[in-house]
Amino acid sequence: SQELEQSPQSLIVQEGKNLTINCTSSKTLYGLYWYKQKYGEGLIFLMMLQKGGEEKSHEKITAKLDEKKQQSSLHITASQPSHAGIYLCFNAGGTSYGKLTFGQGTILTVHP
Amino acid sequence: EAGVAQSPRYKIIEKRQSVAFWCNPISGHATLYWYQQILGQGPKLLIQFQNNGVVDDSQLPKDRFSAERLKGVDSTLKIQPAKLEDSAVYLCASSFVGGNTEAFFGQGTRLTVV
Repeated sequence: SQELEQSPQSLIVQEGKNLTINCTSSKTLYGLYWYKQKYGEGLIFLMMLQKGGEEKSHEKITAKLDEKKQQSSLHITASQPSHAGIYLCFNAGGTSYGKLTFGQGTILTVHP
Repeated sequence: EAGVAQSPRYKIIEKRQSVAFWCNPISGHATLYWYQQILGQGPKLLIQFQNNGVVDDSQLPKDRFSAERLKGVDSTLKIQPAKLEDSAVYLCASSFVGGNTEAFFGQGTRLTVV
């Protein structure tokens, strides 16, 4: 099975600071999702990356997929308390019936 | 478009009791997933259905967990008997086709076993 390793496992930043979360796969990434979760709640889709070198942005969040490194990064610019939560990377599997595997998550705390 | 519906939202049971969770996926979504998320960890896939057939249940503790999706729409996940370590959030997700399409998640059911 494909392993997804996220780093760091937790992150505490001051409001206004930039931050980056990484997701590294043990195998070639065919596609990757980023989700955000508040504990005990469902997951909120952030973005999906499918092509090597692809980069997508939504508001102050930018995600990149580096296929050669089997890695994706999620960057938040000028963080706000509303960005706090658990960020999860999620392997798209690569096949029509691919097994979807999560990273272990990164807990983000933003202090006002 | 209605999202993935799960019920109940919260459940507290004693160990050795039984519990069932229900999931109604988005209309037209053939693939349905059940995940278990223990506090501090990422979600773990328990079972994946394609229509009413099981694609992957390799991480489902089959001695106590069971799941079905009889008509290829709604699904039920059951735990019998529950153990303390089953305390977790159980997430249901669905997608149009598995793999490279976006999966939509329900709000989850938070189970506490005491």
